[in-house]
Amino acid sequence: ELKVEQNPLFLSMQEGKNYTIYCNYSTTSDRLYWYRQDPGKSLESLFVLLSNGAVKQEGRLMASLDTKARLSTLHITAAVHDLSATYFCAVDGRYNFNKFYFGSGTKLNVKP
Amino acid sequence: DVKVTQSSRYLVKRTGEKVFLECVQDMDHENMFWYRQDPGLGLRLIYFSYDVKMKEKGDIPEGYSVSREKKERFSLILESASTNQTSMYLCASSPSPAAGSYEQYFGPGTRLTVT
Repeated sequence: ELKVEQNPLFLSMQEGKNYTIYCNYSTTSDRLYWYRQDPGKSLESLFVLLSNGAVKQEGRLMASLDTKARLSTLHITAAVHDLSATYFCAVDGRYNFNKFYFGSGTKLNVKP
Repeated sequence: DVKVTQSSRYLVKRTGEKVFLECVQDMDHENMFWYRQDPGLGLRLIYFSYDVKMKEKGDIPEGYSVSREKKERFSLILESASTNQTSMYLCASSPSPAAGSYEQYFGPGTRLTVT
């Protein structure tokens, strides 16, 4: 079964700093998704990465995908308090697009 | 914007009750999903449906059933609620891959407490 590992699981950082969240997955897949979840709320889609080398940026967040290494990164630039949330990556089954495999999530706390 | 709505944000039920959780999407998506989310366990797929009246078991279907009589509506049924079914339940929908997207869109969630 496909496994998705995120690290770190918890991240506490100061405003203005940069950091990277890593998402590794265990078998071949070409598509990876990043979601954000605020406390008590549902999952909000951030990025959809559909091919090797894909890079997407939105504000202070940038996501990339290396399918050969089975690795995606979510890079945070000059963090602000509003980015505090839990971030999930997910991979779909290569031949079963409907089945998403989620990482455990990275809980990010940005201190003002 | 894709909109996925769930019938209740918070629900409290007693052990043994039959519980219905409703999910409606307004984007004509073929696929609909039910997950539960628990601290430390992440999101786990209960059931999904790829068409009206079609369903497939996910990773943890025991104690649950589903119904999809109309394309826009997907119901999760707890036949006899138990305390270990206390959880956050998330519904999601996605278009057919032929539409060029596999992304799942999530509803606001229902926090169910079984006492």
